[in-house]
Amino acid sequence: EADIYQTPRYLVIGTGKKITLECSQTMGHDKMYWYQQDPGMELHLIHYSYGVNSTEKGDLSSESTVSRIRTEHFPLTLESARPSHTSQYLCASQPSSGNTIYFGEGSWLTVV
Amino acid sequence: RKEVEQDPGPFNVPEGATVAFNCTYSNSASQSFFWYRQDCRKEPKLLMSVYSSGNEDGRFTAQLNRASQYISLLIRDSKLSDSATYLCVVLRGNTPLVFGKGTRLSVIA
Repeated sequence: EADIYQTPRYLVIGTGKKITLECSQTMGHDKMYWYQQDPGMELHLIHYSYGVNSTEKGDLSSESTVSRIRTEHFPLTLESARPSHTSQYLCASQPSSGNTIYFGEGSWLTVV
Repeated sequence: RKEVEQDPGPFNVPEGATVAFNCTYSNSASQSFFWYRQDCRKEPKLLMSVYSSGNEDGRFTAQLNRASQYISLLIRDSKLSDSATYLCVVLRGNTPLVFGKGTRLSVIA
């Protein structure tokens, strides 16, 4: 089993609030990713990091930001949540020397 | 054109049937290929890697055709528990993995 954890698993929040989705992995993986996925739809890469202090935007434009101060943590922040941000957010990690990507269980965000 | 294309399905098959999915990729520099499985409202998980010579894992067989740039997944003797979305995934260099949209399979009793 993959040791990658996301919190909170479920969150309902009001419009305009700031939220941070946490992602931690204990496998020492250098590469980490955030994906956004609506139910029944495809995965969209929104951010990724290949190491500490390195972050890149993904294919899907997102109003969220990320940071990578420590190898184990890759939090995603929305400064001002909107109903259009309602979705599932999946964090993943991958070792530099391998190809397999491991996903967390996801954070389901609902903005009302 | 999407870098990885899959037929979204759904494929509705009876238990015990054999079903095959294809996936095409557009970038000839793609190096590694995988099939991931995603259950409803769950995270994707690696099902199997795809090797040039083809590989088998129990009821699952994966094939790669580099000349035609497609990957296939064959499932024999389908079980109800095989119902899921199957994601074709491609790796090219040091770039993030590219996921297809997925093919939905529903195995019916």
